[in-house]
Amino acid sequence: QKEVEQNSGPLSVPEGAIASLNCTYSDRVSQSFFWYRQYSGKSPELIMSIYSNGDKEDGRFTAQLNKASQYVSLLIRDSQPSDSATYLCAVNSPNQAGTALIFGKGTTLSVSS
Amino acid sequence: DVKVTQSSRYLVKRTGEKVFLECVQDMDHENMFWYRQDPGLGLRLIYFSYDVKMKEKGDIPEGYSVSREKKERFSLILESASTNQTSMYLCASSPGTAETQYFGPGTRLLVL
Repeated sequence: QKEVEQNSGPLSVPEGAIASLNCTYSDRVSQSFFWYRQYSGKSPELIMSIYSNGDKEDGRFTAQLNKASQYVSLLIRDSQPSDSATYLCAVNSPNQAGTALIFGKGTTLSVSS
Repeated sequence: DVKVTQSSRYLVKRTGEKVFLECVQDMDHENMFWYRQDPGLGLRLIYFSYDVKMKEKGDIPEGYSVSREKKERFSLILESASTNQTSMYLCASSPGTAETQYFGPGTRLLVL
């Protein structure tokens, strides 16, 4: 069974700080990586996708991918209370028959003002 | 913008009832998915479909069935609802395998 692991948290950071969310995955041939944000009672919404090793920046968000270490992270700069949510990491797993993406259980982020 | 809609936001049903949850996407996506989400268990895949009239079991298909008669519509059926099927049900669609999945707003189902 291919897996995606995230620390469940909660991760607590003060407003304005950098929040760092981490994710590891077990399938070495995974090629597509996604970060979703989910507010309480709402459905997941895509924040970023990343496909190549290195960093990808979009506004206050930076996704980092290291395929050799099977590790993907999300950095949120200048964290705001509105960033308080659960963040889901998702990874494709070509070797797992019938499943397009595998989701981690999520890390809960709390940003205090 | 991709839009995925689900027929109900909240639903209350009795044990033993047959329950239909419908999902419609407007972006001509090939793939559609049904998940349930429970506290501490994350998203669990129930069924998915890669084409019209095609369905594949996910991780927890027991007690559920699906129907995809048209490309844009994917229905989840609880043949005989039970209390352990009380959950948040999420539909998603994606243009292709291993591509971004776009989620609907979810249906919170309570089975009494």
